[in-house]
Amino acid sequence: DAGVTQSPTHLIKTRGQHVTLRCSPISGHKSVSWYQQVLGQGPQFIFQYYEKEERGRGNFPDRFSARQFPNYSSELNVNALLLGDSALYLCASSPSTSYNEQFFGPGTRLTVL
Amino acid sequence: AQTVTQSQPEMSVQEAETVTLSCTYDTSESNYYLFWYKQPPSRQMILVIRQEAYKQQNATENRFSVNFQKAAKSFSLKISDSQLGDTAMYFCAFMGDNFGNEKLTFGTGTRLTIIP
Repeated sequence: DAGVTQSPTHLIKTRGQHVTLRCSPISGHKSVSWYQQVLGQGPQFIFQYYEKEERGRGNFPDRFSARQFPNYSSELNVNALLLGDSALYLCASSPSTSYNEQFFGPGTRLTVL
Repeated sequence: AQTVTQSQPEMSVQEAETVTLSCTYDTSESNYYLFWYKQPPSRQMILVIRQEAYKQQNATENRFSVNFQKAAKSFSLKISDSQLGDTAMYFCAFMGDNFGNEKLTFGTGTRLTIIP
């Protein structure tokens, strides 16, 4: 079975631009979470979606938004990029929100110049 | 809000030896889950072991075991017979058990190097 997939693998943007990151969960998984991992740090929670509804939001500015589609894939959007948005963005899926294990994708490395 | 603290930024150990990684956490919740995740240089995060707070018995997965001390809010990971493939960043993580709190809160990680 395919694991969590994310695209693109790497991305380079300049300050002020917009970026869209994509995630496909494991088949049958309905919950998707997004995390930001700055170099040398642990991942920080950004969003959780379940059945296309937002279930949780971390302490991130409104420049960050996300959505989940009927096939349970998800997009993370970041507007007005700042240098500090440079990070590895991780997507994790789970069968439901009450299932405590989350399965992570390989991440998207975003570099903002 | 929950916090997770890993006080050992880096550790190294000879192959085949045993190593223990430390983790403490703070929460006011009575039930929750604790995890150790491994992130090899290839960067994909992999679950190593999981502990449910209401279970007193320490979790074990092959060479990996935990020492869960609920009163002390301590959750250490022991790796026995360490192997070169154990070289990675190790993150301790917390997840609450209540509605709307099914997110992982991670520590800052411990970089473990296994020396041949």
